[in-house]
Amino acid sequence: ETGVTQTPRHLVMGMTNKKSLKCEQHLGHNAMYWYKQSAKKPLELMFVYNFKEQTENNSVPSRFSPECPNSSHLFLHLHTLQPEDSALYLCASSQSFGGQNYGYTFGSGTRLTVV
Amino acid sequence: GQQVMQIPQYQHVQEGEDFTTYCNSSTTLSNIQWYKQRPGGHPVFLIQLVKSGEVKKQKRLTFQFGEAKKNSSLHITATQTTDVGTYFCAGPGSGSGNTGKLIFGQGTTLQVKP
Repeated sequence: ETGVTQTPRHLVMGMTNKKSLKCEQHLGHNAMYWYKQSAKKPLELMFVYNFKEQTENNSVPSRFSPECPNSSHLFLHLHTLQPEDSALYLCASSQSFGGQNYGYTFGSGTRLTVV
Repeated sequence: GQQVMQIPQYQHVQEGEDFTTYCNSSTTLSNIQWYKQRPGGHPVFLIQLVKSGEVKKQKRLTFQFGEAKKNSSLHITATQTTDVGTYFCAGPGSGSGNTGKLIFGQGTTLQVKP
């Protein structure tokens, strides 16, 4: 248990499905992040939320829709995905002040397969 | 755009041998962080370096931040099978404002033969 919990751990979905990934942290951190990790690319930043406000969208396609209802919860809503979206999706949280953070705590990730 | 590069991409060593991975940034960094990801696992924070020329040790691991704050290294002395995994360096993204976002290197995957 890392302090950041992601569900589900594994997800298989068709290209026409709609699903959501959930991330929860109880570390009191003020920033939360979504990263994509695939074999072809290193850890790729998707979205950043600070105090539940989105502060970064790294040119992510609109078929990925984040939601942050409060500082402890982060969702990634998925719809009409493509097979190339298959990857490990990692949520992380950190304390962030003045552009600096003091180390990420990652969740265990959701292994997504799009068929 | 800003890039963080790591070499080598892969390293196979015999147990007991030393290992070093190098990290280079295209921009000056205010700090650099290192993470370890075991096979099938998620990245785990190891350390953060802030000062120019800083050297920090964690048991058999030695971390160094370059004088120009654009490069860093991780050295493992006398590797063990428990050191297997991928080691990532990461630096603050440019224009990060208050986001705290990190840009990760592509990682160095270490294999240790017993």
